[in-house]
Amino acid sequence: QQQVKQSPQSLIVQKGGISIINCAYENTAFDYFPWYQQFPGKGPALLIAIRPDVSEKKEGRFTISFNKSAKQFSLHIMDSQPGDSATYFCAATGGGTYKYIFGTGTRLKVLA
Amino acid sequence: DAGVIQSPRHEVTEMGQEVTLRCKPISGHNSLFWYRQTMMRGLELLIYFNNNVPIDDSGMPEDRFSAKMPNASFSTLKIQPSEPRDSAVYFCASSRSSGGTGELFFGEGSRLTVL
Repeated sequence: QQQVKQSPQSLIVQKGGISIINCAYENTAFDYFPWYQQFPGKGPALLIAIRPDVSEKKEGRFTISFNKSAKQFSLHIMDSQPGDSATYFCAATGGGTYKYIFGTGTRLKVLA
Repeated sequence: DAGVIQSPRHEVTEMGQEVTLRCKPISGHNSLFWYRQTMMRGLELLIYFNNNVPIDDSGMPEDRFSAKMPNASFSTLKIQPSEPRDSAVYFCASSRSSGGTGELFFGEGSRLTVL
């Protein structure tokens, strides 16, 4: 019940295209869903996060879509750029727990 | 404001040797986490401190692993004796929140290679 399942494992997108990464969770007590971006040789850094009281959150080219009934959320990267090439992790936490449950990561490569 | 600072960035050691990884969290943050990242297992939580007190060490793989936080600005993760399967990137992260919904700030990691 603590898992967060992330897909795809890797993704190749042309410059200007849309990158979509999906995650599914099981614990309905989770109430905070962040996405972290990690560049090679660096630690993960918060990209964008959402709480379940909204179905969508947009920050620049990055959008989280949240489906509470399906227990799924996804990251959309519009107009993908080579500089977006990184590993993306979804996570879930909250409901009184301090633990972040991370997905397994998606390695995104945006071709120039 | 400085971020989470980890040292060393890279460590190569031989099996059986003691390894000590160090972390300085962001000032004012009261939660500290140690994670291990591998290709096979992704990001694994090893131990969580709140206000310098270990709250959950259930992720520590074996008795060979130990962690301390003697004060609010310093933590160590020690592996003794080290084994090749301990090779991974170890991240320290800190957070202002102890309730689980604060942003995690990660250091740049310590890449450990055990030969």
